[in-house]
Amino acid sequence: DAGVTQSPTHLIKTRGQQVTLRCSPKSGHDTVSWYQQALGQGPQFIFQYYEEEERQRGNFPDRFSGHQFPNYSSELNVNASLLGDSALYLCASSQPDGETQYFGPGTRLLVL
Amino acid sequence: GESVGLHLPTLSVQEGDNSIINCAYSNSASDYFIWYKQESGKGPQFIIDIRSNMDKRQGQRVTVLLNKTVKHLSLQIAATQPGDSAVYFCAEKRMDSSYKLIFGSGTRLLVRP
Repeated sequence: DAGVTQSPTHLIKTRGQQVTLRCSPKSGHDTVSWYQQALGQGPQFIFQYYEEEERQRGNFPDRFSGHQFPNYSSELNVNASLLGDSALYLCASSQPDGETQYFGPGTRLLVL
Repeated sequence: GESVGLHLPTLSVQEGDNSIINCAYSNSASDYFIWYKQESGKGPQFIIDIRSNMDKRQGQRVTVLLNKTVKHLSLQIAATQPGDSAVYFCAEKRMDSSYKLIFGSGTRLLVRP
C-alpha cells in the first residue's frame, strides 16, 4: 500500500516563476493538507482540501493556491515565487473524518 | 502568543537508555496531540497520538503522557536505539480550528553508541 507520494522531489526556480507541486494521498484518504517547512523549523499549515474545495487556509498570501482532483490528488501552486518561498513543501493526507495526518516525503523548492 | 513549543532543542542520550522529549502548549482548547519523527531529508513520520480525554497512551517502545493541568506533553522512548536519532515534533489540533495541525519547532535527538 503506497503512502503519500509527492513530485518532484526537488525543484529549482527563478524568482518570479510559477511553481506547481503535486501530491497523491494514501489509499483510502480523501483529505489533503499542505505545509511549508523552513529549515530548522516545524511545518506551517498552508491549506487543506476536501471534496475538491479549500476547507481551511493558514496565514499565507494569495500567491499560494491549490486544487484537488476527483481522484483526491492535489496540486499546490505558487505564483510569482520569491526567494523566501524556498522551503520543504509537505503534503499530508487523512481519512474521511480522520484527524491523523500522514505526511509525504516533501518537495524541496529552491527559488534563486 | 499561542504556540506549541519544546523545552530542549537538542537531547543527547546513550544507546539503550530511555529518552524523554517534552512539549508545552498554551491553548487549553487543544483536544488532540500527535508526535512525529522526522529524519533528515524525509517527511514527518507519525509516532503516536493522544486525545485530551486521556492522560497516557502507549505504543511500541513509546509512551505519550499528557498533563492538561500544566499544558504539558511528553514522549518517552524506551531503550533508545541509533535509528531513533531524528528531530521530533509535537503537534496540536485545536477545537476552534478544526483541521490544521500546529507544530512546535522540534527537538533533535542524538543517540550515542
